[in-house]
Amino acid sequence: NSKVIQTPRYLVKGQGQKAKMRCIPEKGHPVVFWYQQNKNNEFKFLINFQNQEVLQQIDMTEKRFSAECPSNSPCSLEIQSSEAGDSALYLCASSHPGETDYTFGSGTRLLVI
Amino acid sequence: GQQVQQSPASLVLQEGENAELQCNFSTSLNSMQWFYQRPGGSLVSLFYNPSGTKHSGRLTSTTVIKERRSSLHISSSQTTDSGTYLCALETNTGKLTFGDGTVLTVKP
Repeated sequence: NSKVIQTPRYLVKGQGQKAKMRCIPEKGHPVVFWYQQNKNNEFKFLINFQNQEVLQQIDMTEKRFSAECPSNSPCSLEIQSSEAGDSALYLCASSHPGETDYTFGSGTRLLVI
Repeated sequence: GQQVQQSPASLVLQEGENAELQCNFSTSLNSMQWFYQRPGGSLVSLFYNPSGTKHSGRLTSTTVIKERRSSLHISSSQTTDSGTYLCALETNTGKLTFGDGTVLTVKP
């Protein structure tokens, strides 16, 4: 069983709806990443945090997503207005600074209809 | 161009045969990691191997930095080895760049 917990496992939304997914990183891992894997199995980096601070994010994430990693609460990634092209597997990973051995969660599979 | 290239894209074996998966990268790296992706999507870390050779059961990973390649060897394959194998390299930006994966099918 993964030490990174992602919920929900599956998410179905209509176009224009908000879609929110959560991630509890591995205990002791302050660095959290979100990746999107599309239907062609291509991975896209979305955003990463160290503790509560955003380290890097791509333009799409900045414009259309809302993400946070509050202390003592799960991290979350929310699409403000879902589009069909957002249908994908969203994977959360965590690591410790200086140790780049990432641990991934099981993912949230989003379907936008 | 693509920073990480995996080969082959797919591989079909009979149970008991060996498999050699390759990952070539075009940029300098901080680390190389191999993952197994289950049909349901979850990623299982197989090796964190920035350089040299590592062993884990029937699996062996070898990374040769100066040749910009890493390999994953599976010996005596089993049907339960079927799935997608991904290599990912971490550059100095701190993010992982994934290859397109190798889909392995092991037939009984």
